[in-house]
Amino acid sequence: QQQVKQSPQSLIVQKGGISIINCAYENTAFDYFPWYQQFPGKGPALLIAIRPDVSEKKEGRFTISFNKSAKQFSLHIMDSQPGDSATYFCAASMWTGANNLFFGTGTRLTVIP
Amino acid sequence: DAGVTQSPTHLIKTRGQHVTLRCSPISGHKSVSWYQQVLGQGPQFIFQYYEKEERGRGNFPDRFSARQFPNYSSELNVNALLLGDSALYLCASSPGLAGETQYFGPGTRLLVL
Repeated sequence: QQQVKQSPQSLIVQKGGISIINCAYENTAFDYFPWYQQFPGKGPALLIAIRPDVSEKKEGRFTISFNKSAKQFSLHIMDSQPGDSATYFCAASMWTGANNLFFGTGTRLTVIP
Repeated sequence: DAGVTQSPTHLIKTRGQHVTLRCSPISGHKSVSWYQQVLGQGPQFIFQYYEKEERGRGNFPDRFSARQFPNYSSELNVNALLLGDSALYLCASSPGLAGETQYFGPGTRLLVL
């Protein structure tokens, strides 16, 4: 079953607007939550990541909000730009002797000029 | 510094054939993971290798196998190819094993006819 659920599937935002992508998980053993950005024909690139001991992390225009009690986390992209148009994946991992990432199904973001 | 490199970039095979995909990690990284990304979905974990030993295996049939060499490069082998094996195969490397950021290569696009 899908360990990490992501929404929306697609998102269209005006240039300068805020893009918000949400993810939810069930397994409380997850302890690392990264967001990846993927352009067509490329591999995923790490954007920003958070651990459950903090509720928010900001890097430039990208912010992760984390709600441990609700088992939800979200990515906010401030001042969205056409160059941000890509597919975004949330992911989660836990220590099991290996470091496998469980990915969401992805959000295709389009930023309109 | 070179990132994760993968070869070949594209591959076309027919059902029943065998395929070998190759990955070179970032210099100094000892862990290599393999993921399968079917079109329109998030990557799915296949294997993780660390110091030449398998440390994790996802929910994939025994037709999938991998190995890691002394120089930390890795091969993913798939036997008896099925149409459903058509996907982007991603390799990711990290410095160590647990809780480390994974850096993805550009992937190998496999098409099975």
